[in-house]
Amino acid sequence: DTAVSQTPKYLVTQMGNDKSIKCEQNLGHDTMYWYKQDSKKFLKIMFSYNNKELIINETVPNRFSPKSPDKAHLNLHINSLELGDSAVYFCASSQERFSYNSPLHFGNGTRLTVT
Amino acid sequence: AQSVAQPEDQVNVAEGNPLTVKCTYSVSGNPYLFWYVQYPNRGLQFLLKYITGDNLVKGSYGFEAEFNKSQTSFHLKKPSALVSDSALYFCAVRDGQWDNDMRFGAGTRLTVKP
Repeated sequence: DTAVSQTPKYLVTQMGNDKSIKCEQNLGHDTMYWYKQDSKKFLKIMFSYNNKELIINETVPNRFSPKSPDKAHLNLHINSLELGDSAVYFCASSQERFSYNSPLHFGNGTRLTVT
Repeated sequence: AQSVAQPEDQVNVAEGNPLTVKCTYSVSGNPYLFWYVQYPNRGLQFLLKYITGDNLVKGSYGFEAEFNKSQTSFHLKKPSALVSDSALYFCAVRDGQWDNDMRFGAGTRLTVKP
């Protein structure tokens, strides 16, 4: 069973559209994250959710909105897509947010291409 | 705030030779250090971590890392490289003092040649 799963794997869309990426984890973890990996492979944290509460919003445009229906899911909704949003988006989870020694478990990523 | 640097974009080694991927960090409190590996079209996979205790940490696939507090470094090592070790490697840090999440270095691409 896949521990952290994201759908879709690839997403190609036009500027101005609205899209969502889904993420589910079956590890029983308390915290989930979204990371953006740009074309140079640099990873930047976007959000983290702990017990349905948003913990971090790292200078991310408000066109991006995380939605967590329950502890096992953290979806990413993007409004009015722009060319610069093209990247690979990774969902991740960890056992506890304040357990500093907990590693992150990553999904396989969603490659978003905005044309 | 914490930060981590990987000074080499690319590391090339011959199969069977030892490899080192470098990482330095900056934190206000105690460092919690991690190494991850990313294969093409895959997410990051956890390799090993340093929390406290022995400065030499052993992890998956024969990798190990040495924590050096005076040099604020956490270099990843392997005694004998395999072609299958070729991948992108990320160092990451959490700051034990501040309420901050895991921050990643820019990554180092390791290429092991037969």
